[in-house]
Amino acid sequence: KQEVTQIPAALSVPEGENLVLNCSFTDSAIYNLQWFRQDPGKGLTSLLLIQSSQREQTSGRLNASLDKSSGRSTLYIAASQPGDSATYLCAVFNTGGFKTIFGAGTRLFVKA
Amino acid sequence: DGGITQSPKYLFRKEGQNVTLSCEQNLNHDAMYWYRQDPGQGLRLIYYSQIVNDFQKGDIAEGYSVSREKKESFPLTVTSAQKNPTAFYLCASSFTGTTEAFFGQGTRLTVV
Repeated sequence: KQEVTQIPAALSVPEGENLVLNCSFTDSAIYNLQWFRQDPGKGLTSLLLIQSSQREQTSGRLNASLDKSSGRSTLYIAASQPGDSATYLCAVFNTGGFKTIFGAGTRLFVKA
Repeated sequence: DGGITQSPKYLFRKEGQNVTLSCEQNLNHDAMYWYRQDPGQGLRLIYYSQIVNDFQKGDIAEGYSVSREKKESFPLTVTSAQKNPTAFYLCASSFTGTTEAFFGQGTRLTVV
């Protein structure tokens, strides 16, 4: 059974710092991995989608990497800003089944 | 504007009452999903639909029902059989099950 873990559960950093959020999964038979952002009381906003054949994806200050063999993905945020404060969730889509498994998220707070 | 619209944003249910949450998308997506989010937990899949007039149970379907009569619409009914319905409900859609998923803004359901 696929399990997705995000550590740490919460993170507080000063503005301008570069940071890395971690996502690990137990079953490497994934089709893709997606990173989302969620603001309090809101829906999820898609940030980056990495297909299983890819190693990384970049969008602006965000870079996501995927190492399927070790069951890990990282989301790198460069030059963090207070507006980056949100919960970040990763989700994996398993092959062999129509299901996306979500992590519980990392709550990020960027201090001005 | 293309996107996914959930309504209402807030919903209150009395004991023993059925309520229906609306989800509409104009992205021409074939697949639609309903998730439940509880504090500190990842999203859990309630139901999903890959095509019109077809839907499948997710991990926590008991006490819920859905229909998919139109490609654009995937309403969720929370029945009186759902004993703990207070949660944040999220609807999502994608072209297929393996492509990027997009989410609505959510409906917060509270039992009073």
